[in-house]
Amino acid sequence: KAGVTQTPRYLIKTRGQQVTLSCSPISGHRSVSWYQQTPGQGLQFLFEYFSETQRNKGNFPGRFSGRQFSNSRSEMNVSTLELGDSALYLCASSLTASDGYTFGSGTRLTVV
Amino acid sequence: AQRVTQPEKLLSVFKGAPVELKCNYSYSGSPELFWYVQYSRQRLQLLLRHISRESIKGFTADLNKGETSFHLKKPFAQEEDSAMYYCALKSGAQKLVFGQGTRLTINP
Repeated sequence: KAGVTQTPRYLIKTRGQQVTLSCSPISGHRSVSWYQQTPGQGLQFLFEYFSETQRNKGNFPGRFSGRQFSNSRSEMNVSTLELGDSALYLCASSLTASDGYTFGSGTRLTVV
Repeated sequence: AQRVTQPEKLLSVFKGAPVELKCNYSYSGSPELFWYVQYSRQRLQLLLRHISRESIKGFTADLNKGETSFHLKKPFAQEEDSAMYYCALKSGAQKLVFGQGTRLTINP
């Protein structure tokens, strides 16, 4: 079965712009999480959605937001981009609360 | 607060030697712990989780609640084990807290 699919793979944006990243979880997985990966901070939790509801949010500013659709696909949005938002953004999905997460390949965002 | 510490950023061992990647955690509840691996140019993937008590690719990890540790071990390292390894804690809030990772290099 198909894995977690993230689009686009690469993005270059200018400071002040906004960006939307997309994630399609494994079929049947209802929990979708987003993580930011940077060389300095490592992997940091952004937010988690289950059945279209945000259950948890990490310590990121309000410029970072997300949503989940009825088919479990998820999007995250970053507004007013800053240089420090340059990172690999990873999406992960899980079947049940006790399962490990399956990660996508990520979207590499570069802000110039 | 939940925290995962991987004290070694880099670890280099020779092929055939034993490997131990250290992971310590801080969590007041009952933890769920995982090891994830990222091979070069590949996505992050689950290696093993403590509740399964399984051995994957020769790796094992035992949860030691007294020492709050979840070290990853393999008795005989292989060159294909070279990768970045992350220890992660899942809290009741359904999020993963990752350690900073250990880059393992297996020398021929």
